[in-house]
Parts: sequence; C-alpha cells; structure tokens
Amino acid sequence: KQEVTQIPAALSVPEGENLVLNCSFTDSAIYNLQWFRQDPGKGLTSLLLIQSSQREQTSGRLNASLDKSSGRSTLYIAASQPGDSATYLCAVIKGFQKLVFGTGTRLLVSP
Amino acid sequence: DAGVIQSPRHEVTEMGQEVTLRCKPISGHNSLFWYRQTMMRGLELLIYFNNNVPIDDSGMPEDRFSAKMPNASFSTLKIQPSEPRDSAVYFCASSSEQNQPQHFGDGTRLSIL
Repeated sequence: KQEVTQIPAALSVPEGENLVLNCSFTDSAIYNLQWFRQDPGKGLTSLLLIQSSQREQTSGRLNASLDKSSGRSTLYIAASQPGDSATYLCAVIKGFQKLVFGTGTRLLVSP
Repeated sequence: DAGVIQSPRHEVTEMGQEVTLRCKPISGHNSLFWYRQTMMRGLELLIYFNNNVPIDDSGMPEDRFSAKMPNASFSTLKIQPSEPRDSAVYFCASSSEQNQPQHFGDGTRLSIL
C-alpha cells in the first residue's frame, strides 16, 4: 500500500527565507506527483505537476523536484511571503489518476 | 472560467437523515473525483468516474455511500442514512486527462449531529 509522508508537519519562518518542504513515498512505481496548497476553509489549489519522466518543474518562486528511485520529492519556495502561509500537500498518482495524499506541511510565514 | 462547483458549502443535519452533495466539474473535463478530508485520516479518495462511468469505488466506506454521474456536467454523492462519523469536508475534483492536474472545488463541510 502506498504511503506518503511529509516532513516537517509544521514550519514557521520569517518573511524572505528560502525553504524546502519534503515528501516521501514508499512505492516508486508512480505516474506523476502533484503539489497543492490548501488555505483554511478552502479547497486545494494545484501548484505543480511533475510527470514521472521529469525531474523537476518550476512556476514562479516555486520549484519541485522528483526522484522516483529514492521515493522523494521536494518543494522549494524562494523568498517566502506571508501570502505563502497555507498547508502544502503532495500527492502521488498511481494508475488512472488515483491520488494518494501526504500528511501535509502547515507553513506560516511571518512578516 | 468557472472552476469546480460544489453545493451546498455547508450542511448540518441529524443522524439518520439522507444527505446529497452535488458537484459540477469544469466543462470539458472527463474525469471526476470525490474525496473526503478529516483530521484523523487526511484526504482520501472515495470514488472516481471517467466519461461518466465509475472506475474505482474501493474508497467508498460503506453501502450507505453512493455516487452517480448521470451526465458529464453533474455528479452526486449520497449518504443514507447519515451517521456522526460521516462528518468531514467532502471535495469534488475534475481533470481533463491522465497527465493533467486535478482541479478541486471548495468542498462541502458536512456535520452530522
């Protein structure tokens, strides 16, 4: 059974710091990996989708990498801002678009 | 473009009542997903449809749960009878194809008293 773990569970940083969120998964036979953010009381917003043939994806200040062989993905956020405060979720996609979600990292960026 | 639309946003009802949650996927998307989010278990996939056909319902917790997709623009998730442990946020998501991201609605916060 696929298990997805995110470390740390919570992170508090001052504005301007660069930070890394980690995601690990037990079964490397995945199609894709997707990173989301979730604001309180809201749904999930897709940030980046990395296909299994890719090693990384970038969007603005966000960069996500994928190492299938080691079962790891990282989300790098450059020059963090208070508006980045949210819960970040990674999800692996294994067969027919079936998402298995990680436990989430709650990020707080203080001004 | 309108995103995934769910209704109602909040639902409070008594144990034993029937609950129906509704979802309108993004136009042109052919896959639709229902998820449940709780503090204890996080986000779990309940069921998903491809071209209106249920593909995998292994995440549906019990026979009290049922889902339908009568056409490409509408899906329902029904709980009958409801129980307090069904209290959660239920999300609907849709996507256009295998290697495209899933887009989520804002969810229905369900409370069963």
